[in-house]
Amino acid sequence: VQLQESGPGLVRPSETLSLTCTVSGGSIRDYYWSWIRQPAGTGLEWIGLFYATESIIYNPSLKSRVTISVDASKSQVSLNLNSVTAADTALYYCARFTTAWPDSWGQGILVTVSS
Amino acid sequence: DTVLTQSPLSLSVTPGESASISCRSSQSLLHSNGYNYLNWYLQRPGQSPQLLIYLVSDRASGVPDRFSGSGSGTDFSLKISRVEAEDVGVYYCMQALRTPLTFGGGTKVEIK
Repeated sequence: VQLQESGPGLVRPSETLSLTCTVSGGSIRDYYWSWIRQPAGTGLEWIGLFYATESIIYNPSLKSRVTISVDASKSQVSLNLNSVTAADTALYYCARFTTAWPDSWGQGILVTVSS
Repeated sequence: DTVLTQSPLSLSVTPGESASISCRSSQSLLHSNGYNYLNWYLQRPGQSPQLLIYLVSDRASGVPDRFSGSGSGTDFSLKISRVEAEDVGVYYCMQALRTPLTFGGGTKVEIK
């Protein structure tokens, strides 16, 4: 299964960051899907996990601003993060979960929040 | 949140020698099913992280047996035997027992 993130590389402060992960080489329905981010030069922060439409878990630190969804017809996983600030500047990864942890990652997409 | 503390922050290893990384958790990672939900990832320079070891000691597909994990409860370690040039990068531990899922701060491994 291949994962490819896409979306704007530059987002203005207070606006919404929107990313898409396109899944190929396998059925999106067979796995769970997550977004993980990595600010420059620092560690990894888990954003949230999509189990099913009615079962999505978010990191409490971002919960009020984040939405993860899956469009199985397009084999896409989406991330929306609103009211962004410079602190949201990071490399964003889409990740596949076969069980309870990420076992495959996309190459990542760098998103910069700046005016 | 479950805090994972890795040590050392960095390692410089001679090819062929061994290296060991520690990961300590602020809470036990032992699930009621008897497994400890602690994984290890390697992020090579310019690449995304890849799963090395899951559930403390099970190697992911394609991972050489030079990599081994051990530990239980709150103390875990990753050992790299016979270090090779391709092992350079940042190693992260990750707990998958509780949400939010959390990662250690990383250990950078370099070759002398």
